[in-house]
Amino acid sequence: SQTIHQWPATLVQPVGSPLSLECTVEGTSNPNLYWYRQAAGRGLQLLFYSVGIGQISSEVPQNLSASRPQDRQFILSSKKLLLSDSGFYLCAGSLAGGEYFGPGTRLTVL
Amino acid sequence: ILNVEQSPQSLHVQEGDSTNFTCSFPSSNFYALHWYRWETAKSPEALFVMTLNGDEKKKGRISATLNTKEGYSYLYIKGSQPEDSATYLCAFNLNYGGSQGNLIFGKGTKLSVKP
Repeated sequence: SQTIHQWPATLVQPVGSPLSLECTVEGTSNPNLYWYRQAAGRGLQLLFYSVGIGQISSEVPQNLSASRPQDRQFILSSKKLLLSDSGFYLCAGSLAGGEYFGPGTRLTVL
Repeated sequence: ILNVEQSPQSLHVQEGDSTNFTCSFPSSNFYALHWYRWETAKSPEALFVMTLNGDEKKKGRISATLNTKEGYSYLYIKGSQPEDSATYLCAFNLNYGGSQGNLIFGKGTKLSVKP
């Protein structure tokens, strides 16, 4: 079965610290992968999407970056977190048979 | 385990038919209920966000209702068109100490509308 894994589930980081969130896909190959964020009081916002290894498209300018070093791995990073980076981060994939979301990571920047 | 259940899993209708989907969610710790429309390889499009029991929202031919006491929401499409074909996702925000908590998605209802 196709599954999207994300970790960590929750994260509390100080302002200015780096960030690395990992998303891996199981049970399929060559998926389109997405990073979304839901900030407090807002809907889902697309941050990045990737159609293949090394191919990243950014939807909004910010201090975040994404990388896809392997077919089934998608990483969201930041060199220096801002308070406004707090939110709920979801990895999603267009996989065979449908679209799937990972369990999400709750990030609190203090 | 907190689950959001959507039914049916998929639906095939003819152009002009009206249809509806169901989303069931935990009635405790409720904060908000979202409906999204997602076409493959595109970003989900937010349709509705509902927070109050009894809320009814409408956007063109699409409308939604919310019952937080019994934990369900209905999405209705009147006079379906081929361009309505997409996956319709329901998502539920937990109440996190009075603030917006984690967003839990259902698996979606895949709608196909034949001309």
